Amino acid sequence: QVQLVQSGAEVKKPGASVKVSCKASGYTFTNYDINWMRQVTGQGPEWIGWMNPYSGNTGYAPRFQGRVTMTRDTSVNTAFMELSTLRPDDTAVYYCARDYAGEGQPIDYWGQGTLVTVSS
Amino acid sequence: DVQMTQSPSSLSASLGDRVTITCRASQGINTYLAWYQQKPGRAPKSLIYAASSLHSGVPSRFSGSGSGTSFTLTISSLQPEDFATYYCQQYNTYPHTFGGGTRVDIK
Repeated sequence: QVQLVQSGAEVKKPGASVKVSCKASGYTFTNYDINWMRQVTGQGPEWIGWMNPYSGNTGYAPRFQGRVTMTRDTSVNTAFMELSTLRPDDTAVYYCARDYAGEGQPIDYWGQGTLVTVSS
Repeated sequence: DVQMTQSPSSLSASLGDRVTITCRASQGINTYLAWYQQKPGRAPKSLIYAASSLHSGVPSRFSGSGSGTSFTLTISSLQPEDFATYYCQQYNTYPHTFGGGTRVDIK
């Protein structure tokens, strides 16, 4: 069965970076894009960007451009999302989710989420 | 960015009720519209894609409709496990954007 398993909770200080992993299983990793979203408590999800695991191509939401980097390691079917220069308002649950590679494809499976807390 | 506006932001309903949630896009998105269900402390669950297609395993009491800028999610007969928050998302244009959510709770 399809599973996306994310790394554990993180606590970071302002100005630091965080790298969240998303390990895929149950399907061909390189056939599906990985999207990253985050969700602040009480708010709707916010889309951060996408990555194609086959090519490594990425696309980021403008408000995260310059601070986010999405990468992958196909040898272990794992995607990564690194967010730098963290601020307290980056505190949120971060999710990975897959969609079939290509534009205009819907998300079907989500990871369980990773809580990132930014506090001095 | 395409703004997604959901209404109502919350509603109270009884078991067996028919529930309708509306999602409006600030510009046309064809039918590139998804609906998700989220329960407290859990990841969102994908319900509907392409405005009206159900993901595998989603009960048939859920249905979606619409195109362009106006969409609806309908639950034909509310069940205990349906009390949750529902979100729409457009995936027509980057960045893909979500609505603010509709919380469905017990009357």
